[in-house]
Amino acid sequence: QSVLTQPPSVSAAPGQRVTISCSGTSSNIGNNYVSWYQHLPGAAPKVLIYDNNARPSVIPDRFSGSKSGTSAILGIAGLQTGDEADYYCATWDSSLSAVVFGGGTKLTVL
Amino acid sequence: EVQLVESGGGLVQPGGSLRLSCAASGFTFSSYSMTWVRQAPGKGLEWISFITTSGGKVYIADSVRGRINMSRDNAKNSLTLQLDSLRDDDTGIYYCARWSGAAHYFDSWGQGTRVTVSS
Repeated sequence: QSVLTQPPSVSAAPGQRVTISCSGTSSNIGNNYVSWYQHLPGAAPKVLIYDNNARPSVIPDRFSGSKSGTSAILGIAGLQTGDEADYYCATWDSSLSAVVFGGGTKLTVL
Repeated sequence: EVQLVESGGGLVQPGGSLRLSCAASGFTFSSYSMTWVRQAPGKGLEWISFITTSGGKVYIADSVRGRINMSRDNAKNSLTLQLDSLRDDDTGIYYCARWSGAAHYFDSWGQGTRVTVSS
């Protein structure tokens, strides 16, 4: 059971937009920065969003992040088949003194 | 170019030990905190441990506390994870990653090393 809750799966057609939610508590998301990672099978995880809504320069602006209260959202616009991957949110949990990941969300581009 | 290369994985019997290493290059290793994250087969990413730049502070996940030791050698640009009393559920791919420092995320990851615990 992950400390951060994500939907197990989401799906959408190419070109559409999808959002992935990440729900936590005041001990983690509520008072700490959230980052999002894309993980393709056999590859190293890659950061998409950091500090809630910042994007590394190499990440296209199709990817966006937001945070409100104890929840965060990753948005992916203009879906491509290459976006099929597992997506994880992560943050620090002040009560646990630990980094916590969401359970992961599998994105299928239909 | 930042490079993180893990090694030391393999097949080990339950109750056994393994020593994983992460060789860092392309950046000033001593200036960055580091972490280990693992992924069990069919499961999600699980954070295991985090070490500060000097090695003076180590944070460890409850799931492995008492069974692991994380350390670093800044002179050799290397990170080590000692795994003891291994269990079947320690099986997975172990990644080392660099903590950004300027912001709050893991900005570089290795390709991982596979650990299999089985009799």
